[in-house]
Amino acid sequence: NAGVTQTPKFRVLKTGQSMTLLCAQDMNHEYMYWYRQDPGMGLRLIHYSVGEGTTAKGEVPDGYNVSRLKKQNFLLGLESAAPSQTSVYFCASSYPLSSGYTDTQYFGPGTRLTVL
Amino acid sequence: AQKITQTQPGMFVQEKEAVTLDCTYDTSDQSYGLFWYKQPSSGEMIFLIYQGSYDEQNATEGRYSLNFQKARKSANLVISASQLGDSAMYFCAMSHDGGYNKLIFGAGTRLAVHP
Repeated sequence: NAGVTQTPKFRVLKTGQSMTLLCAQDMNHEYMYWYRQDPGMGLRLIHYSVGEGTTAKGEVPDGYNVSRLKKQNFLLGLESAAPSQTSVYFCASSYPLSSGYTDTQYFGPGTRLTVL
Repeated sequence: AQKITQTQPGMFVQEKEAVTLDCTYDTSDQSYGLFWYKQPSSGEMIFLIYQGSYDEQNATEGRYSLNFQKARKSANLVISASQLGDSAMYFCAMSHDGGYNKLIFGAGTRLAVHP
């Protein structure tokens, strides 16, 4: 089991460029999340998905879009990157609490994004 | 609104000693979960321990235990017999009832273990 994987690991963008971050999980988790981590802060939720074909906004969704076309994948898109989006991005996945399994979230290794 | 507070930006401990990392939370929900994650310098987020709001016993996982005091809304992490490899950032987080397991994180505590 690879768990949660993220690609790419590092990326440098110029202001206005676009990119997509890919998250994949092989644990058959229903729920998936995207967080960002800025220096000196904990993680903040950008968007999340509770199942294939569904997405919802988190705490800091502006400037991002997401898609969940397959259960195992969750994509995060930046349409027009801004320096304020320089951050480390983490993907996570979990079972629903109602599943009877623990709802612990398991995280990918992170993507370090710099926007110049 | 839910909130997690970690008041210790940095802590240090001697190797083999125990250390407590503080976490207080604010919620009006009856059902919630409390989590601790470790983030070493390599950057990944490693799950350590979980406590459900209805669990009467404090959670333990090896050298980690969670001191859960519901009335005080605190969920402190206790690391026993500290090791050099415990040096890392530690984050307390909370999920809430009906929130699709969405996590709210504290700002973290940086722990340094000295030989």
